[in-house]
Amino acid sequence: SAVISQKPSRDICQRGTSLTIQCQVDSQVTMMFWYRQQPGQSLTLIATANQGSEATYESGFVIDKFPISRPNLTFSTLTVSNMSPEDSSIYLCSVEAGPFYEQYFGPGTRLTVT
Amino acid sequence: QKEVEQDPGPLSVPEGAIVSLNCTYSNSAFQYFMWYRQYSRKGPELLMYTYSSGNKEDGRFTAQVDKSSKYISLFIRDSQPSDSATYLCAMSARGGANSKLTFGKGITLSVRP
Repeated sequence: SAVISQKPSRDICQRGTSLTIQCQVDSQVTMMFWYRQQPGQSLTLIATANQGSEATYESGFVIDKFPISRPNLTFSTLTVSNMSPEDSSIYLCSVEAGPFYEQYFGPGTRLTVT
Repeated sequence: QKEVEQDPGPLSVPEGAIVSLNCTYSNSAFQYFMWYRQYSRKGPELLMYTYSSGNKEDGRFTAQVDKSSKYISLFIRDSQPSDSATYLCAMSARGGANSKLTFGKGITLSVRP
């Protein structure tokens, strides 16, 4: 498995501002993923971040709104830009690890936009 | 129809009960099936990982996959208050690197002492 930490664990932000969420892994991994978890909804994949290349975004998510950086094999950031109350959610990063490339999740960042 | 459907719950059982959690899916390409447990204010934790049809047992937990019915289950024997959490099913069409997971919405289980 992998041990994943996220910062911040929670934040309350004002509409129109941006927040950058950090994800740190205790071992080198190729693929990192960013998810959104809204109340009553399935975990939704925002984008996949592969070190050394541009992130790949899922339908409905765009780079201008959710820019992602992946500077090395243990770290990634997700920025939620120009926030609105609809962006209030839990944001989770995950990594592939283990013999079956299972996905392991960080503790999440709980974001509230007022 | 959503790709993955999960009983919405919540589910409340007495300590010691056998719990059955279920998901159905519509995409016949799914071959890899996972169950995650998520405690309040924590990230999902991988519980079980199975491939294709059949059963897999790990302690008090048994994962069951019936691909012909497009139905997966997680059984918890001798349930404990510490099992109180949200359980998410997830599945993918292929294994290996960069396998996109599709999740159910999760069901919240409460085990009463």
